[in-house]
Parts: sequence; C-alpha cells; structure tokens
Amino acid sequence: GAGVSQSPRYKVTKRGQDVALRCDPISGHVSLYWYRQALGQGPEFLTYFNYEAQQDKSGLPNDRFSAERPEGSISTLTIQRTEQRDSAMYRCASSLGLTDTQYFGPGTRLTVL
Amino acid sequence: DAKTTQPNSMESNEEEPVHLPCNHSTISGTDYIHWYRQLPSQGPEYVIHGLTSNVNNRMASLAIAEDRKSSTLILHRATLRDAAVYYCILRDGGTDKLIFGTGTRLQVFP
Repeated sequence: GAGVSQSPRYKVTKRGQDVALRCDPISGHVSLYWYRQALGQGPEFLTYFNYEAQQDKSGLPNDRFSAERPEGSISTLTIQRTEQRDSAMYRCASSLGLTDTQYFGPGTRLTVL
Repeated sequence: DAKTTQPNSMESNEEEPVHLPCNHSTISGTDYIHWYRQLPSQGPEYVIHGLTSNVNNRMASLAIAEDRKSSTLILHRATLRDAAVYYCILRDGGTDKLIFGTGTRLQVFP
C-alpha cells in the first residue's frame, strides 16, 4: 500500500519568502507528526496532530512556524519569512493511533539561500 | 524525557551477528524501549520495541537487562543492507512523540 508522501521533495527558496510543505499520511492513520532533521543529527520533534487537532506544538522553534491539518488527513507545515537556519530536511510521519509505530515519509529538503 | 546513550559507530562483517548497545539508566517504569533505524537517504523505520521481556521479530531481537537500565539490539546476520544509523528511544506508554538522539552508525563490510 501507499506510504507517507511528502511534497515537494526539494524546495529552494530565498530568505524572507514563505514556504508550505505538504504531508499526505497513510490512509486511515489518525496521528501525524512533523520532525526536522539537520545533517548528521537525529530527527527533532516539531509538532503532532490527532485527527485535526494539534495536540503538541512544543517543538516548533518560533512563531514563524505553523502547521495545520484541517480535515484530519493532509497536513501543511508553513514557515514564514524563511531564514538560512531553517534549511534542513523536514520529515512527516503518521501512525494508526497515539503510541503506535510511526511510519516516516521521504522528507522535504528545504534550502534557504 | 529519559535519555539514552549509544556508541557513535560500530562495524561488522557481513553474515556476522551484531550487538548494538544502549544505556538508559534513568528509564522509568512506564518507558518502552524502541529502536528505529535510518538507511542512507531515507526516513527512519521502525525495528522493534519492548518493555521488560526480550522480543524477537523478523528484523531483529531486543535483549533487555533485568534492571532495564540497558538494552541490546541484535541483528543475527548482518547484511550490507543493514548499514544504517540505529536509534534507541525511550517512549513513555502515553507519549506520542519520538525523541531521537544521535544514534549508532553501523557499517557492514563484505
């Protein structure tokens, strides 16, 4: 079956621009997570949703980062006024329910020039 | 969140068993021990998890110390495709997010 998909796979943007990263979870998965991964490091938690409700956004670095999942399926992570330090791989994961195995997508590589 | 300690890197030859250690001396009674791995240029994938008893699945075995302060992921016969970064993660029974450390980079030689 189809796994977690993310788009775009690569995004290059100029400093100050806004970007929107999309995550399409595995069908039927209730929980959706966003992580950010710097080169050579493990993924770092950003936020997660249970259905359409954002349950924990403690990992979002600042108020330029936001996420939504309006219909409890596809999620969008938005970064406003991008900065070079935002450059990283952004990974999405989904699970059947809370505490279940998380399945990760291929990620979106964001480069801010 | 309780922390884990893993060696930065390990090496193995193909077809040999590999024992990847993890220390978690501050583990609490409700923490599950999870292992994920990340192959080059891919997202992390689940390997195995356990609470107190040793666990086996098609990918690996997990040996948990009696005091639960350490655990070992066992790959019975390493293949070149097992070369990856292996993450040992403590996850509270009621917790959602995964807290990754820096993991152990496993190299497998033919």
